[in-house]
Amino acid sequence: NAGVMQNPRHLVRRRGQEARLRCSPMKGHSHVYWYRQLPEEGLKFMVYLQKENIIDESGMPKERFSAEFPKEGPSILRIQQVVRGDSAAYFCASSPGTGSDYGYTFGSGTRLTVV
Amino acid sequence: GQQLNQSPQSMFIQEGEDVSMNCTSSSIFNTWLWYKQEPGEGPVLLIALYKAGELTSNGRLTAQFGITRKDSFLNISASIPSDVGIYFCAGPNAGNNRKLIWGLGTSLAVNP
Repeated sequence: NAGVMQNPRHLVRRRGQEARLRCSPMKGHSHVYWYRQLPEEGLKFMVYLQKENIIDESGMPKERFSAEFPKEGPSILRIQQVVRGDSAAYFCASSPGTGSDYGYTFGSGTRLTVV
Repeated sequence: GQQLNQSPQSMFIQEGEDVSMNCTSSSIFNTWLWYKQEPGEGPVLLIALYKAGELTSNGRLTAQFGITRKDSFLNISASIPSDVGIYFCAGPNAGNNRKLIWGLGTSLAVNP
């Protein structure tokens, strides 16, 4: 019974390249959330998706960042033309999406380093 | 906007000691969540509080939802080395309760 799977665990990109981060939610979970964590800080919400729908992307920068959660396959967070300030840990969480509790399960994160 | 303030920022304690940390906000939260994050890993939910005044335990951990709905505390009794990590409080955003607001964390170090 695998948890939330994120890959890669570590990703190094040169400035200007693209970064693609993948997240496979827990089995039976249809809601996915992406958070960003800078060193010495808490997590900051980026985007909330359901299958084939972006529900809330209010925390995502307007440019260069996009997210999708297709009908089949993992959720993808895509960062185009990366800059040094994009270096951070990116966490994905999933939930069943029902009820009022917060059954979020987080993955182990992708640590992006932009050089 | 809503913010969560955690204190202390860090703690260094001896194994066996009890630990107390808290989380405050200038605005009301209807749910308080306490997470632990270990190095290189994602946060893991420890305790969820849904009702003002609620006191909930999970093993050696106890958390309370403040009566004013503007604070919460987490206690760890008889600390052990594996308690090391960063403890975060979090709560749902007032305008979108699927979006969590996070504190900056309390870093705990335990000397064996």
